Amino acid sequence: GAVVSQHPSWVICKSGTSVKIECRSLDFQATTMFWYRQFPKQSLMLMATSNEGSKATYEQGVEKDKFLINHASLTLSTLTVTSAHPEDSSFYICSASRGSGDEQYFGPGTRLTVT
Amino acid sequence: GDSVTQMEGPVTLSEEAFLTINCTYTATGYPSLFWYVQYPGEGLQLLLKATKADDKGSNKGFEATYRKETTSFHLEKGSVQVSDSAVYFCALPFSGGYNKLIFGAGTRLAVHP
Repeated sequence: GAVVSQHPSWVICKSGTSVKIECRSLDFQATTMFWYRQFPKQSLMLMATSNEGSKATYEQGVEKDKFLINHASLTLSTLTVTSAHPEDSSFYICSASRGSGDEQYFGPGTRLTVT
Repeated sequence: GDSVTQMEGPVTLSEEAFLTINCTYTATGYPSLFWYVQYPGEGLQLLLKATKADDKGSNKGFEATYRKETTSFHLEKGSVQVSDSAVYFCALPFSGGYNKLIFGAGTRLAVHP
């Protein structure tokens, strides 16, 4: 149990376009979902926390208008990178939690390359 | 503020060697402590955890003991395998709540036959 999927697993897009990444909890309801960014050979950087039905809370330095997060249901959260640029190329990882006190279950990640 | 410090990698070992990856933390109170593993091209998996002082978490031959005296949670394995090659992250919950996790920088382990 507690499986989290991400789609797509990798995506290449052109500079200036937008790309949407989905994060799904397959066998549980996720009250909270988290989005992380990971640069090569570095740790995970938390970008934002989203609770179902409410606006995401972004970490300091993360542009909320550039990284749009929607958590419309208890099993799905989406991250949209708007007007992507090459510097947005990264590995994006989501995690999901049943709620306060529950551990986070991580998705397999999405590798975004912006050309 | 809360933080996690891990030993720098990469760590390169021969198969069946003993592994230690150091992790120390700074936190308010006595939070749970976690070790996550990331295999190449994949997301993170919880490897083991400890929820209170002196607890020992263990899984797949890996162990870590929660030492509040030294604020440490070092990861050990008696005999590593090639399949253990991965990046290992120490983590603790952010004291501000919301289940946010603070990760160490990660330690890359490469095991050679």
